[in-house]
Amino acid sequence: TQLLKQSPQFLSIQEGENLTVYCNSSSVFSSLQWYRQEPGEGPVLLVTVVTGGEVKKLKRLTFQFGDARKDSSLHITAAQTGDTGLYLCAGDFRKTSYDKVIFGPGTSLSVIP
Amino acid sequence: DAGITQSPRHKVTETGTPVTLRCHQTENHRYMYWYRQDPGHGLRLIHYSYGVKDTDKGEVSDGYSVSRSKTEDFLLTLESATSSQTSVYFCAISEEEETEAFFGQGTRLTVV
Repeated sequence: TQLLKQSPQFLSIQEGENLTVYCNSSSVFSSLQWYRQEPGEGPVLLVTVVTGGEVKKLKRLTFQFGDARKDSSLHITAAQTGDTGLYLCAGDFRKTSYDKVIFGPGTSLSVIP
Repeated sequence: DAGITQSPRHKVTETGTPVTLRCHQTENHRYMYWYRQDPGHGLRLIHYSYGVKDTDKGEVSDGYSVSRSKTEDFLLTLESATSSQTSVYFCAISEEEETEAFFGQGTRLTVV
């Protein structure tokens, strides 16, 4: 059973559309990171959220950390083909009984021109 | 881009043979990590190092060993490769445990 779940698993949208992907856990994590991974490359950090209820913006990307610190969302406005990739969330559970950073399985996003 | 180089980038090996993957960094970061990435599982930590000769196990360490004799190099060894170790392996580095991790480009290993 995965501690960190992401949904949807796959998403294919037209350029210009908006989308939201989700990262959820049954346990509280102290912080959460979002990464984007392009084919044949390693993941690249987009943002770290630390405070419950926190919202961070990175150009057309909006990241939200749930109040209870068990979930997070990534919203992309007016998607572009360059947004195509695998979006990974990583929860920091090192201050819990799990004592580690855990990655979710990812959401594979395809933006079609 | 962070200076991380993984070698080789691709490898095909036979079951039962030993395999060593290399991660080299030019950033002088203290922490180095080895992950494997498999469909539906995300990235799973194999081993990590917090200094020269200081290593510890991750969540999927069985069948793997590591060594770090210099700050810049972190080696991952599969003593006797099995088909279940077919995967993409990523090295990552970070200055401290809780700071941003930078990933290498990955090594695609196929065990036949």
